[in-house]
Amino acid sequence: GESVGLHLPTLSVQEGDNSIINCAYSNSASDYFIWYKQESGKGPQFIIDIRSNMDKRQGQRVTVLLNKTVKHLSLQIAATQPGDSAVYFCAENIRGGADGLTFGKGTHLIIQP
Amino acid sequence: GAVVSQHPSWVICKSGTSVKIECRSLDFQATTMFWYRQFPKQSLMLMATSNEGSKATYEQGVEKDKFLINHASLTLSTLTVTSAHPEDSSFYICSASRGQLNQPQHFGDGTRLSIL
Repeated sequence: GESVGLHLPTLSVQEGDNSIINCAYSNSASDYFIWYKQESGKGPQFIIDIRSNMDKRQGQRVTVLLNKTVKHLSLQIAATQPGDSAVYFCAENIRGGADGLTFGKGTHLIIQP
Repeated sequence: GAVVSQHPSWVICKSGTSVKIECRSLDFQATTMFWYRQFPKQSLMLMATSNEGSKATYEQGVEKDKFLINHASLTLSTLTVTSAHPEDSSFYICSASRGQLNQPQHFGDGTRLSIL
């Protein structure tokens, strides 16, 4: 499953499929980007980050892609599991995370059995 | 991993009451802490930046006299919502940073504030 655009609030995928969550950021001066996962009633949990001098970074089951030309960020989750159900936010920063973060609107990922 | 603790996790109080929320960095010294607010089904919005031993920096539109921030030590920042009203009801979340570049902020589990 794939989400497109900043304003798509919900993405529904089958368990075991790959998920792609997209984010368009606003500030061309941003140099550090982070993906967070937020479960209901909890604070954001760090997933993966990427600096502006990179275009791809991989973690465990997750990959972040950065396209600075079009100011686009994506999070790919491989083999989606029920525990991946949450709201996912991208966040940007212009001083490598030293300042407060600007969050995107979020995408609610729903896993279908 | 880094752990940030917030207390209380949930508070209900009457209009006009002042409420203090604590944010603690449990396993590292946080030179900078941040306070965010999140309304239902919305994103997090930065309210202010709290620096140990100095005055907080507030984002545009956030009243510094209403949201008092104190960062007296490298492991504790407090946010006091003074004379709270129903429109202040929200989810308040803090984060802590080691102050190093290209390091993620770590978030607490938030405080649900409900003003009656």
